[in-house]
Formats: sequence, C-alpha cells, structure tokens
Amino acid sequence: EDKVVQSPLSLVVHEGDTVTLNCSYEVTNFRSLLWYKQEKKAPTFLFMLTSSGIEKKSGRLSSILDKKELFSILNITATQTGDSAVYLCAVEAAGGGADGLTFGKGTHLIIQP
Amino acid sequence: KAGVTQTPRYLIKTRGQQVTLSCSPISGHRSVSWYQQTPGQGLQFLFEYFSETQRNKGNFPGRFSGRQFSNSRSEMNVSTLELGDSALYLCASSLVGRFYGYTFGSGTRLTVV
Repeated sequence: EDKVVQSPLSLVVHEGDTVTLNCSYEVTNFRSLLWYKQEKKAPTFLFMLTSSGIEKKSGRLSSILDKKELFSILNITATQTGDSAVYLCAVEAAGGGADGLTFGKGTHLIIQP
Repeated sequence: KAGVTQTPRYLIKTRGQQVTLSCSPISGHRSVSWYQQTPGQGLQFLFEYFSETQRNKGNFPGRFSGRQFSNSRSEMNVSTLELGDSALYLCASSLVGRFYGYTFGSGTRLTVV
C-alpha cells in the first residue's frame, strides 16, 4: 500500500522566517510527487517533481525530490501571512494503479505577523 | 479559462438518503478524479474516470459510485448515507498523460445528519 508521511503536522513561525516542510513516501512504481497548498477548500497546485535532484522554483517557494532516499522538501523563504495554509504532499504511481494520488495528512503552517 | 466546477457547494442530507454530486472539468481535460477529505483521514482517493470509463477505484464501499459523460462531466453518487460520509468531496481534472498536475475544484461539503 502506498504511503505518504508529512512532517511536521503543524508549524507556527513569524513573518520573514524560512520554513522547510518534509514529505517521505513509499510507493510502488513511482511516477511523480506533487505539492499542493490548501487554504480554504480547493487545493492549488504548486509543483510536480518526477526527477531526482532537480529543484523546482516559483518565487519564494522551491522543492526538491530525492528518489533514492524517498523524500521531498518544500522550502518557503521570507514567509508572509498569506502563506498560512495546509501544505499537502501527494505521490502518483505509474500506470495509475488503484490508489490515484496518495496524499499525506498535510502540514498546517501558520505565519504570525 | 474556467476552472473545475463542483455543484452543489453545500449539502445536508439525512442518514439513509442518497446524494449525487457533480463535477465539470476544465475544458479539454478528459480525466476526472474524486477524493474524500475528512479531518481524521485526510484526502482519500475514491475513483478516476477517463473517456467515460472508470480507470481506477480506491478502497471505498460499493455505496460510492460514479460516472462520466461524453462531455467529460462527472457525477458521483453515494447511496444509503451514513454519518461517517460527512466530508468535503473534491473533484480534480487533468490533461491526458497527467504530467501537468491535477486541478481541484472547490468541493462539495456534505453533512449527513
């Protein structure tokens, strides 16, 4: 059974801090790892990672995948209150499989002004 | 372009009733997936449809079913509702090949009383 574990489950930091969110996984026939940000309802897509060691960046957010050690990190630099959200990590197996996307429980990030 | 549209936004049903939720994917997206999100279990995969065919199915009882129409719109049905079915039901659509991530709708909040 595919499995995704995120840590920490919750995190409170001050505006301007840098945070690192962790995601470890076990999946048969890994295809991709995805990061989403969920503020109210709809998770919004951040990154998709398929190759090891390649960093994806978008503004203050960046993510890297380690396929050998089976984990990914999401970094947010110079955090702002608008970054407060639940960050979800998900893995997808090749060939679709019976599991669709397997999600972790998420990291609830709170940025204090 | 329009995003993924889910209707209704909120729904209150009584135990034993059945419910139908609707999802209209982004234009051109032929794959539609459904997820259940609860505080305890997080996001869990229900099923995925592509070209009117169910491709994958998660570990949910047969009371949960779905279908997809020729215009890629999808519906999911839950029969004989139980209190534990109270959740946020999210629909996601993606392009063929799925290397572009999944775009989620805002969900339908179902409350079973």
